[in-house]
Amino acid sequence: EAGVTQFPSHSVIEKGQTVTLRCDPISGHDNLYWYRRVMGKEIKFLLHFVKESKQDESGMPNNRFLAERTGGTYSTLKVQPAELEDSGVYFCASNRGSGKRYEQYFGPGTRLTVT
Amino acid sequence: AQSVSQHNHHVILSEAASLELGCNYSYGGTVNLFWYVQYPGQHLQLLLKYFSGDPLVKGIKGFEAEFIKSKFSFNLRKPSVQWSDTAEYFCAVPRHDYKLSFGAGTTVTVRA
Repeated sequence: EAGVTQFPSHSVIEKGQTVTLRCDPISGHDNLYWYRRVMGKEIKFLLHFVKESKQDESGMPNNRFLAERTGGTYSTLKVQPAELEDSGVYFCASNRGSGKRYEQYFGPGTRLTVT
Repeated sequence: AQSVSQHNHHVILSEAASLELGCNYSYGGTVNLFWYVQYPGQHLQLLLKYFSGDPLVKGIKGFEAEFIKSKFSFNLRKPSVQWSDTAEYFCAVPRHDYKLSFGAGTTVTVRA
């Protein structure tokens, strides 16, 4: 089966611009997660979707970040307006069940650079 | 709050050397533990996991990890590394059943 895919692989934007990251989970996976790794730091949880519903967005840094999952398929993460501290690698993951025993399958990540 | 700490930021070793990466967690309840690996240019992938039972867990590619409850540790080991083991390794603990809490990661460079 196809894995989790993310687009773009790399984005360079200027401070104040808008960027939209996309994640396509593995087909049939109801659970979708976004994580972020700022350079030199650990990977941190941003939010969790079950189908189209946000179950937990406690990790979202602020209201400049907006995540959506229309129709419970792919998800987008929009940053508007982008700030320098938003630079990092944004990972998406998916799985069938949200219990701790379900492995999360990760995408390759989108490297966002804000200049 | 749960936290995960990895002892080494960067480890450099030669092929055939033994590898041990430290991971400690802080959590008082039932613990599930994971090691993920990210090879250069590839996705994060699960290396091994511990839920219950035998504290010595075998994973892919000859890796193993030992859960020591009294030490709050879950160290990753491989007796003889290969050049292809060059990667970044992450210890992780799931919180509330789904949020993965990661350590800072350890970059392992294996010299041929």
